[in-house]
Amino acid sequence: EPEVTQTPSHQVTQMGQEVILRCVPISNHLYFYWYRQILGQKVEFLVSFYNNEISEKSEIFDDQFSVERPDGSNFTLKIRSTKLEDSAMYFCASKSDSVVYGYTFGSGTRLTVV
Amino acid sequence: AQTVTQSQPEMSVQEAETVTLSCTYDTSENNYYLFWYKQPPSRQMILVIRQEAYKQQNATENRFSVNFQKAAKSFSLKISDSQLGDTAMYFCAFVVPWTNAGKSTFGDGTTLTVKP
Repeated sequence: EPEVTQTPSHQVTQMGQEVILRCVPISNHLYFYWYRQILGQKVEFLVSFYNNEISEKSEIFDDQFSVERPDGSNFTLKIRSTKLEDSAMYFCASKSDSVVYGYTFGSGTRLTVV
Repeated sequence: AQTVTQSQPEMSVQEAETVTLSCTYDTSENNYYLFWYKQPPSRQMILVIRQEAYKQQNATENRFSVNFQKAAKSFSLKISDSQLGDTAMYFCAFVVPWTNAGKSTFGDGTTLTVKP
């Protein structure tokens, strides 16, 4: 069964450093998403991406965040200057078209900012 | 704006028994999709079951079934013959695919523990 692959599985970074979280969506999917889950809390939408541009972003997704699909296969989330409160599980998800069959989630990247 | 409410933060069930997790939502839309996701200790998000709002028939996937009450905006998940591997956090999610770029709104989750 096709998978969404996320790397790394765990990243520890110092406050103020830049991090890039990587995702390889399923190859024929067209819509890509990043979600965040602070430990013990609900899953929160960050951003959606379609046709090489952001289609929607949440209030959480401020100027410190950016997304990119640099080469047609990878989908990255960059946090420019990490804060302690950015510590969370970050999930990438993709889906095939506008008729929803449910997302396919990656296994997540646990980001720890120290 | 859509909201999803899971009123049971924690639940437990004995192995082989049946448990029902509740979910209610609020929307003015008529067509939408509802999902239940399972998040085991590994923290991966796994799709359990999906329901289209325009379908009256309740979705079923093996031991998992839903009770979808559109008028009441209720979407509960029933797990039959509970197994130890069902221990996980369960999230209810709501999507209106033709708006908001198809983003999902999640409930707060219910932690289910299956006891041997």
